[in-house]
Amino acid sequence: SVLLYQKPNRDICQSGTSLKIQCVADSQVVSMFWYQQFQEQSLMLMATANEGSEATYESGFTKDKFPISRPNLTFSTLTVNNARPGDSSIYFCSSKRQGHSDYTFGSGTRLLVI
Amino acid sequence: QQKVQQSPESLTVSEGAMASLNCTFSDGTSNNFRWYRQHSAKGLEVLVSIFSDGEKEEGRFTAHLNRANLHVSLHIREPQPSDSAVYLCAVNSGGSNYKLTFGKGTLLTVTP
Repeated sequence: SVLLYQKPNRDICQSGTSLKIQCVADSQVVSMFWYQQFQEQSLMLMATANEGSEATYESGFTKDKFPISRPNLTFSTLTVNNARPGDSSIYFCSSKRQGHSDYTFGSGTRLLVI
Repeated sequence: QQKVQQSPESLTVSEGAMASLNCTFSDGTSNNFRWYRQHSAKGLEVLVSIFSDGEKEEGRFTAHLNRANLHVSLHIREPQPSDSAVYLCAVNSGGSNYKLTFGKGTLLTVTP
């Protein structure tokens, strides 16, 4: 199955600043997904990112707040713009190879906004 | 829109007793079901994936799927204190974007 490497593992940032989270796959994947998990809550799908096209955002998430890039089939970045304490959570990237049933998750990025 | 609900919210069992967790979903076209374990807000560990009705065993973990009843369960045989964690049920949605929807999880505590 695909391995996903996410960085940073954790970060602390000041309110109003932006943070970028990177996700690298060890092989090509068509779809990458970004999830947000608040403490003791479930994972919420934020957006789906396919190579070469605009990310598709779920209700409650916007491109202005969480821009996502997907420049090639092994890489994606999630940016948290104008970070607020309410954005403090764990962010996971995930992928699924077309024609395969496995979903892979990165190890997560724990973000604290102060 | 897919809805996934898990029960119970929390469960305490004694070491060695069977633990049973439940998950219901709303999209009858779903065909990819998996159980994950998460220790203390760490990463996700996939336990069992199941794609057709019936049973799938992976070590001490067994998933049962009944799509007609929109239900998938996880049974943990001989649980140990190290199995104490949040267990998450995830179900895909039909269509081409392969979205996974997660339940809110069951907090399992295994006492010695």
